[in-house]
Amino acid sequence: QVQLQESGPGLVKPSGTLSLTCSVSGVSISSSNWWSWVRQPPGEGLEWIGQIYHNGTTTYNPSLKSRVTISVDKSNSQFSMKLNSVTAADTAVYYCAMLWFGEFFAYWGQGALVTVSS
Amino acid sequence: DIVLTQSPGTLSLSPGERATLSCRASQSVSSSLLAWYQQKPGQAPRLLIFGASSRATGIPDRFSGSGSGTDFTLTISRLEPEDFAVYYCQQYSSSPKTFGQGTKVEIK
Repeated sequence: QVQLQESGPGLVKPSGTLSLTCSVSGVSISSSNWWSWVRQPPGEGLEWIGQIYHNGTTTYNPSLKSRVTISVDKSNSQFSMKLNSVTAADTAVYYCAMLWFGEFFAYWGQGALVTVSS
Repeated sequence: DIVLTQSPGTLSLSPGERATLSCRASQSVSSSLLAWYQQKPGQAPRLLIFGASSRATGIPDRFSGSGSGTDFTLTISRLEPEDFAVYYCQQYSSSPKTFGQGTKVEIK
């Protein structure tokens, strides 16, 4: 079955860069689906960050576009996100997810809590 | 951006009762490109409904979605103990994809 798993540091210093990787199994990362990141601050709702297709085409949320980069590594069936110039407001659980044909979030990783603090 | 407003914020019901959750969009969601998710504490969201009314694989038929344009509804016909959770709607009609703020269904 389709599985996604986030990995990366759980603590990032203010003004630093938050980096996460999502490992995909059970489906080809080169399929006709898109791959996405969503975040959820503690006790709050969900925010779409951006998405990538296996050919490297990306779409970002304008609210984060200036600070985020999403990339794909087909050889390792992974995709990654970097968010720079982080502040405490970027503290959240970060989920990777598979977008069914780029539309809705069909499968989710378990989530990774990233705290921004000195 | 399309803003999705969910109501009520919290719904207090007993097992076996019917739950009706609303999601209203700030502009028309074309082709009913709206999904619903369930999230339990400490877990990732789970897809329930896509295309406003199509159940995802493995979702019980007590969950149903309806609506079009700017008004959408998720109905749980008879609440089971495992249904008490937070529910989110999400539109994929236009970018950026946006979510509602959530409705918590709690045990009365």
